[in-house]
Amino acid sequence: ETGVTQTPRHLVMGMTNKKSLKCEQHLGHNAMYWYKQSAKKPLELMFVYSLEERVENNSVPSRFSPECPNSSHLFLHLHTLQPEDSALYLCASSLQGSETQYFGPGTRLLVL
Amino acid sequence: DQQVKQNSPSLSVQEGRISILNCDYTNSMFDYFLWYKKYPAEGPTFLISISSIKDKNEDGRFTVFLNKSAKHLSLHIVPSQPGDSAVYFCAASGSARQLTFGSGTQLTVLP
Repeated sequence: ETGVTQTPRHLVMGMTNKKSLKCEQHLGHNAMYWYKQSAKKPLELMFVYSLEERVENNSVPSRFSPECPNSSHLFLHLHTLQPEDSALYLCASSLQGSETQYFGPGTRLLVL
Repeated sequence: DQQVKQNSPSLSVQEGRISILNCDYTNSMFDYFLWYKKYPAEGPTFLISISSIKDKNEDGRFTVFLNKSAKHLSLHIVPSQPGDSAVYFCAASGSARQLTFGSGTQLTVLP
């Protein structure tokens, strides 16, 4: 595998479910990001990890919980989501201090 | 309030002609700008970037122009090809090195 991969690609969950999104990067990067993209809206930065430490949390509700066990892996744990959380969730990685980020294909999430 | 704006949600261009995608920003602290291209069911892919110390950067068919006084940048694609049909996102970065994105422009290149 090369680049940035995300699993699952599609996810349907109820409001009481707990699920996790996974991201893996094979680029030797040391910074990883979670973005949310809702229809017709800009990508919204959710979390930033640099050197495995969380450096940004853009007022994201606590029902979203990120985890970065090492520089290659990033998770987004989901619990008690709302229908308005339905969106495309994108993971990206970069070298620390570089502006150029490389994105995964995203997970299309539908909350019923 | 959006700090990076792409005011045209869509653009159609004939194959072989020039495509010009526009982007405006409001934060004068932004010092690096990027364009990403996104196909359906794929993540955004990096296309081209420009630092605020330059006013033009060229890579093959793609050229980005930056007008700092107007807080405006544009992406020129020439000649346009059907495979260029995608959503194009403009992004800007400041001292925190985090990206602020526009809402995207859907480019359709007609054969």
